[in-house]
Amino acid sequence: QLQLQESGSGLVKPSQTLSLTCAVSGGSISSGGYSWSWIRQPPGKGLEWIGYIYHSGSTYYNPSLKSRVTISVDRSKNQFSLKLSSVTAADTAVYYCARVVLYQGGYYYYYMDVWGKGTTVTVSS
Amino acid sequence: QSALTQPRSVSGSPGQSVTISCTGTSSDVGGYNYVSWYQQHPGKAPKLMIYDVSKRPSGVPDRFSGSKSGNTASLTISGLQAEDEADYYCCSYAGSYTNVVFGGGTKLTVL
Repeated sequence: QLQLQESGSGLVKPSQTLSLTCAVSGGSISSGGYSWSWIRQPPGKGLEWIGYIYHSGSTYYNPSLKSRVTISVDRSKNQFSLKLSSVTAADTAVYYCARVVLYQGGYYYYYMDVWGKGTTVTVSS
Repeated sequence: QSALTQPRSVSGSPGQSVTISCTGTSSDVGGYNYVSWYQQHPGKAPKLMIYDVSKRPSGVPDRFSGSKSGNTASLTISGLQAEDEADYYCCSYAGSYTNVVFGGGTKLTVL
């Protein structure tokens, strides 16, 4: 059974870079037909898609965050990572990683079927 | 402001049915059959309830159903149960530039 686990810095100072990692267990991050995504949720607010990376390494980012976001994959460790630069208090949120199903059994899809439990990141001096 | 519009809250009594709407545009909800719905209990991660507008993942009760008409998708929960009380989010693919958009979320209260 696939499981995702976020880890990283829980407290980040303004203007610095937020770094998180999502460890994938119970399956390979290199499996075709999936992408690996980051989503965040500010306190008391809704979900915001940050971006995702394909098994090939191609990346797609939320246009509103694109200039500050980098998502990368480490296949040797079966994990993928998020870096968000120049953070402000508005970046304070619970950050989730999730698997996106794109293509299975000859059909195209687009949904997030497995989520991590989330990790809280606070931006404060 | 979220890209997809959902009612802030809905409510219903046990056994009743409720419907949550999710309105977008022809560039997202109306343009693709890639609408999904997620249930989120307080302090928990979202859980997939519906994908591809109306398909249920294994393990999701058939009390949950989805549909779409034009630029509006809907999630209907019939036979409401206490454990259905949660926040619900719709999500849609929105093309190769924007990619993914979420609704602002709807709080379901079971009276």
